Amino acid sequence: GIQVEQSPPDLILQEGANSTLRCNFSDSVNNLQWFHQNPWGQLINLFYIPSGTKQNGRLSATTVATERYSLLYISSSQTTDSGVYFCAIAFTGNQFYFGTGTSLTVIP
Amino acid sequence: EPEVTQTPSHQVTQMGQEVILRCVPISNHLYFYWYRQILGQKVEFLVSFYNNEISEKSEIFDDQFSVERPDGSNFTLKIRSTKLEDSAMYFCASSDRGRISPLHFGNGTRLTVT
Repeated sequence: GIQVEQSPPDLILQEGANSTLRCNFSDSVNNLQWFHQNPWGQLINLFYIPSGTKQNGRLSATTVATERYSLLYISSSQTTDSGVYFCAIAFTGNQFYFGTGTSLTVIP
Repeated sequence: EPEVTQTPSHQVTQMGQEVILRCVPISNHLYFYWYRQILGQKVEFLVSFYNNEISEKSEIFDDQFSVERPDGSNFTLKIRSTKLEDSAMYFCASSDRGRISPLHFGNGTRLTVT
């Protein structure tokens, strides 16, 4: 069946550190997005990245569709980066499958 | 930037009562979705809606759930007889071209069933 797996499940960083979050998936993708769920529960769209590399400030993402993974890089982390990071993927239908998330805590 | 709006932000209801969660998708979007997230768990797909009909639904979306687009702007999720396990955050989302375009989420409605 369809699988979307994220690693690590939990991550604690000192402010200023860099991190890499990974999303592995089991099938060819039509759509891949990265979301940040903030402490208030809002899902913030970070990247729409079914393939290739994108950068937005301190964040960047890379999807290698042929090898079925995507990476989210966070550089110079800040306490406001804390929260849960989800990848969400659409395969053949219109349903988007969410990964289990990476819970990030950035400590000052 | 256009956004998806959801109301109410928080709803408390008693078990067995009907609730209607409301969403206004982005105006030029054609695909609409409901997702839910039980506290501490991942986000789960409920249903997708296109061209005034359900296009896909999950096993969670049983007969007690229904969706409707009553006019040109609103998209609603109805739960007919709420259960304790329906307590969750419910997210509405929309996109302009389905799976080949980005999903845009609302801020969610936190439903508490007592």
